[in-house]
Amino acid sequence: QVQLVESGGGVVQPGGSLRLSCAASGFTFSNYGIHWVRQAPGEGLEWVAFVHYSGTKYYADSVKGRFTISRDNSKNTLWLQMNSLRPEDTAVYYCAKDRQQLAPFYSDYWGQGTLVTVSS
Amino acid sequence: DIQMTQSPSSLSASVGDRVAITCRTSQGISNSLAWYQQKPGKAPKLLLYAASRLESGVPSRFSGSGSGTDYTLTITSLQPEDFATYYCQQYYSPPLTFGQGTKVEIK
Repeated sequence: QVQLVESGGGVVQPGGSLRLSCAASGFTFSNYGIHWVRQAPGEGLEWVAFVHYSGTKYYADSVKGRFTISRDNSKNTLWLQMNSLRPEDTAVYYCAKDRQQLAPFYSDYWGQGTLVTVSS
Repeated sequence: DIQMTQSPSSLSASVGDRVAITCRTSQGISNSLAWYQQKPGKAPKLLLYAASRLESGVPSRFSGSGSGTDYTLTITSLQPEDFATYYCQQYYSPPLTFGQGTKVEIK
């Protein structure tokens, strides 16, 4: 069955960096685009970034220039490098598989999420 | 960016009730709309895509309709397991955007 397992969350000071990972299994990872979506405590869902099967990337304006999404199809792994972190980046970060390969569409499978807390 | 306006933000309903949640977009999205259900402490679950296509395994009491800028999620005969928060999401053009969510509570 499809599984997405996020890791790498934790507490970081404002201005710091963190790298999240998402390990995928149960499907042909190289055939699908993958998203990062976040949810601040008690708030709604916010799309963060998407990388399609061969590497083209899309970002939300709120993270553009600070976050980098990447993938390694040989390792079935997705990453989110987060730099210059701000308190408003505090959230649970989900990786989510897209139904398609190329343009970002909708997500049919989600991981359980990893919590990132930006605080001094 | 395409703005999403979801309403109501919350509602109280009883088991067996019919419930409707609406999502309005700031421009036409040609039915490029998905609906998700999220329960506390859990990841979202895909319910419908292309505005009205039911995801495999989702009960038929969930349905979607709409076109252009106005879309509706309807739950007929609300069940105890349906009490949750529901989100719409457009995928017509990036950046993808979500509605603010509708919390469906027990009356």
